[in-house]
Amino acid sequence: AQKVTQAQTEISVVEKEDVTLDCVYETRDTTYYLFWYKQPPSGELVFLIRRNSFDEQNEISGRYSWNFQKSTSSFNFTITASQVVDSAVYFCALKAGNQGGKLIFGQGTELSVKP
Amino acid sequence: AAGVIQSPRHLIKEKRETATLKCYPIPRHDTVYWYQQGPGQDPQFLISFYEKMQSDKGSIPDRFSAQQFSDYHSELNMSSLELGDSALYFCASSPRSGPLPSYGYTFGSGTRLTVV
Repeated sequence: AQKVTQAQTEISVVEKEDVTLDCVYETRDTTYYLFWYKQPPSGELVFLIRRNSFDEQNEISGRYSWNFQKSTSSFNFTITASQVVDSAVYFCALKAGNQGGKLIFGQGTELSVKP
Repeated sequence: AAGVIQSPRHLIKEKRETATLKCYPIPRHDTVYWYQQGPGQDPQFLISFYEKMQSDKGSIPDRFSAQQFSDYHSELNMSSLELGDSALYFCASSPRSGPLPSYGYTFGSGTRLTVV
């Protein structure tokens, strides 16, 4: 069975604070992909990052960074110096297998960044 | 760059009516996925098509049907609409063959269906 758990339903921070969104996944496949998507109030799903199961290197993109740890089946997302525009719902998602296939989404974390 | 096009963007229907949602994938993407996202929920996989054949099926009600046409666009047909069908419906596309692209899937902007 495949499952993605985002235990944090809502997080509220003040602008310029750092915030980490947790994601824990379950899969029996040795090959899989992990994703993070941002869903602003307008509703579209914005792709942030994709990681495959063979690449455990952490990644940094501007104020965003991702920590992938297979040992704990986690793929956490950190926003440094948060801004009001970061306010959105963030989804972690899993796809098992090497090619195409459905995404399994976590429940989402609603991040509210207050000025 | 071309993206996944969904139409209409918004749709209001009454209970027991029928709705048809359309999805036009990125050129050369041969696989289409449909997701349903209820209010405050995560997107749930409904159904997917590869080369005009159903490739996977999720929690799609029997009242819903879908197909993929020769030009790879897909339509989701929903009949006997219920209030609970009110949701954001996403379509995504990807190439089926070869490893998954670095961006994974391309999602459309969604169709917001409201059943009254």
